[in-house]
Amino acid sequence: SQTIHQWPATLVQPVGSPLSLECTVEGTSNPNLYWYRQAAGRGLQLLFYSVGIGQISSEVPQNLSASRPQDRQFILSSKKLLLSDSGFYLCAWRTSGTSGVRGANVLTFGAGSRLTVL
Amino acid sequence: SQQGEEDPQALSIQEGENATMNCSYKTSINNLQWYRQNSGRGLVHLILIRSNEREKHSGRLRVTLDTSKKSSSLLITASRAADTASYFCATAVGWGKFQFGAGTQVVVTP
Repeated sequence: SQTIHQWPATLVQPVGSPLSLECTVEGTSNPNLYWYRQAAGRGLQLLFYSVGIGQISSEVPQNLSASRPQDRQFILSSKKLLLSDSGFYLCAWRTSGTSGVRGANVLTFGAGSRLTVL
Repeated sequence: SQQGEEDPQALSIQEGENATMNCSYKTSINNLQWYRQNSGRGLVHLILIRSNEREKHSGRLRVTLDTSKKSSSLLITASRAADTASYFCATAVGWGKFQFGAGTQVVVTP
């Protein structure tokens, strides 16, 4: 079956420390992968998306970077965290047909990683 | 700015009542999707409606789409306490990219 895993689930980090959030998917190959950030009580902001190994598109300039070292692995990183990096980070992959409509693409999300920068 | 904008921002109803929330978007779409997020969890896809459809049903969910007004609505009938969650509309912007609105927070009280 197709599943998506994110870790860690929660993280408390001091300002200026590095960050690494990991996302892996199972049961599929060559997925499109996404990192979103959600501020408290807000919508989702698309940060990065990837269509394949080593292929990363950044949506907004920021203190974060993403990498895709393997087909089913997507990593979100920072060298030095800022207070404004706090939030709920969601990894997702693009699936097709789950809505029952042939050819339609929908997103399947991981459980999220809550980052608090102090 | 967000491609999808939901209103109201928050909705409080009692069990058994219907909950209606709306979504407006700016650009042409192929389809519009609704997702649900329980507190502190990831989003779960609920229903998709294509641009050539006007209405779609799935269980207690009913979605409408008016492409002339660039708007959609999600109706949850006979709500239950378990429907308490945030609901987001999403549209595909460009190839393979999805943009989400700020969401409607629904609280269903027993």
